Amino acid sequence: GAVVSQHPSWVICKSGTSVKIECRSLDFQATTMFWYRQFPKQSLMLMATSNEGSKATYEQGVEKDKFLINHASLTLSTLTVTSAHPEDSSFYICSALTGTGGGVGQPQHFGDGTRLSIL
Amino acid sequence: AQSVTQLDSHVSVSEGTPVLLRCNYSSSYSPSLFWYVQHPNKGLQLLLKYTSAATLVKGINGFEAEFKKSETSFHLTKPSAHMSDAAEYFCVVSDQGGYNKLIFGAGTRLAVHP
Repeated sequence: GAVVSQHPSWVICKSGTSVKIECRSLDFQATTMFWYRQFPKQSLMLMATSNEGSKATYEQGVEKDKFLINHASLTLSTLTVTSAHPEDSSFYICSALTGTGGGVGQPQHFGDGTRLSIL
Repeated sequence: AQSVTQLDSHVSVSEGTPVLLRCNYSSSYSPSLFWYVQHPNKGLQLLLKYTSAATLVKGINGFEAEFKKSETSFHLTKPSAHMSDAAEYFCVVSDQGGYNKLIFGAGTRLAVHP
């Protein structure tokens, strides 16, 4: 149980294009989802917290207009990297909390990540 | 504020020998602690979690961790390493604020040699 699917797993695109990454909870409803960025050989950096039906909460230093997050349903959150440039190349990972997300100590369930390469 | 320190960036063991991955935490509250594993180009898989119940926590794949409040530690152990255990391991503490944000350690890369 608690499976999170992330799509696509790998994407290569030209500089200036926009890329959308989907994160789906397959067997549970997720009120809260998270988006992370991971640089090579580094830990995960939280980008934003996504709540169904409301605006995402971005971490300090993350550009809201560059990384658009939409959480339109209880099973789907999307991250759109707008006007992507080579410096946006990275590994992006989503996660989801089961239930309402309000319980202390609930683990997050992670997708398999998306490798984004901007040429 | 919560924080996590993984004391070793790399650990190398031989197959069949014990594994010890060290983690110290800092928290103003009674913490919720997790260990996650990440294989190359993959997301993170939960190994085990501590949430103020038993201090010795058993996880998947033979891993376990012991919460020691006096030492502010949450070390991950396994009696006998398998080749498939080679991966990156993250010690994580849950932010006690809203939405259960996770605070990650820097990670420990475990290499297992035949």
